[in-house]
Amino acid sequence: GESVGLHLPTLSVQEGDNSIINCAYSNSASDYFIWYKQESGKGPQFIIDIRSNMDKRQGQRVTVLLNKTVKHLSLQIAATQPGDSAVYFCAEGNSGGSNYKLTFGKGTLLTVNP
Amino acid sequence: EAQVTQNPRYLITVTGKKLTVTCSQNMNHEYMSWYRQDPGLGLRQIYYSMNVEVTDKGDVPEGYKVSRKEKRNFPLILESPSPNQTSLYFCASSLLGPYEQYFGPGTRLTVT
Repeated sequence: GESVGLHLPTLSVQEGDNSIINCAYSNSASDYFIWYKQESGKGPQFIIDIRSNMDKRQGQRVTVLLNKTVKHLSLQIAATQPGDSAVYFCAEGNSGGSNYKLTFGKGTLLTVNP
Repeated sequence: EAQVTQNPRYLITVTGKKLTVTCSQNMNHEYMSWYRQDPGLGLRQIYYSMNVEVTDKGDVPEGYKVSRKEKRNFPLILESPSPNQTSLYFCASSLLGPYEQYFGPGTRLTVT
């Protein structure tokens, strides 16, 4: 597959453990945030999103936490499985104006050890 | 099957030879976007389109053109490719705005 993991922060966990992936965003005006998962050789896949009027949102086995005070976003994966091994990207955007750009972080490589 | 398709998947070309990478989606999405992905730099948005005939620059538009004549298609055009445009390119679409985007499989472009 394509190598997109060079120079990335890495997180290695044991199967069954919980994983926490962190992201610092840059624009205090951003009001929505998204997490994507990218497996080797594939395009990014949407996981979960959160708007700035929330500080927590839960999905299936995943939880996103937003701390606007320190501009920090985290993705928690419960009971991590080998299939969760991938690069995880956070992204930020601003829905309030006419600019509909999306800015991605550089990603974190998650490795799940069986 | 709902999907975003890109063609070609792999392309090796020479500096200055115009090329087009096609992108098509079958989900009737209004928002489409192009990204490039480089090691250590993550995904960077090149151009996006909110709807037919509406396009706007992303963070790295220099050296690229796009058009949106039909809702389903959003081609990326490199009029005069240069080696610094060697990258992995992704097209994406979503129903409305840059929210839950569906990504294509990627196009690996090498410019020599």
